Amino acid sequence: GNSVTQMEGPVTLSEEAFLTINCTYTATGYPSLFWYVQYPGEGLQLLLKATKADDKGSNKGFEATYRKETTSFHLEKGSVQVSDSAVYFCALVGNQFYFGTGTSLTVIP
Amino acid sequence: EPEVTQTPSHQVTQMGQEVILRCVPISNHLYFYWYRQILGQKVEFLVSFYNNEISEKSEIFDDQFSVERPDGSNFTLKIRSTKLEDSAMYFCASSVDRAGNQPQHFGDGTRLSIL
Repeated sequence: GNSVTQMEGPVTLSEEAFLTINCTYTATGYPSLFWYVQYPGEGLQLLLKATKADDKGSNKGFEATYRKETTSFHLEKGSVQVSDSAVYFCALVGNQFYFGTGTSLTVIP
Repeated sequence: EPEVTQTPSHQVTQMGQEVILRCVPISNHLYFYWYRQILGQKVEFLVSFYNNEISEKSEIFDDQFSVERPDGSNFTLKIRSTKLEDSAMYFCASSVDRAGNQPQHFGDGTRLSIL
């Protein structure tokens, strides 16, 4: 079946630090992969996506590359800001979305 | 940019009562979804709805739950005889196409608290 495994949080970083949030998946076929972000008190927002192997999704300085060989879609950002503090969800889609458990990120000045 | 809107933002209900959570999807979207997020846990799929009928549902979506599109704009989730474990954030989503072809747009959620 389909599933997503994310690294557990919470993650606390200083401003301008490098961010990696690991995500691996199990799926039949080659699903599209997504990262969603949930800011405090708000709903889920699409951050980036990749639809096939070796695709790189990017948005707002965040990047993730669809790695078929390692079944991974790790989220990275070179220099985080306080405003990046949120919960990040990795997801894949079959006939529905399958979400990871979420990783809470806190960036301190 | 068009948004999915959900009301109320917070609903507090006594155990055993019925609740209706409301959603207004994006106007040209055809597929509608409900998800649930119990505090500290993952977002879980409940149900998808297309052409005035349920197209997919998870094992969570039992006889206690029902969905309806009563008019051209609203999409509701009804929970009968609520239980303590129904306390969660409930997210509505809509998309132009089936999940996989277009990303789903999510509302801000309704926090349901069962006392």
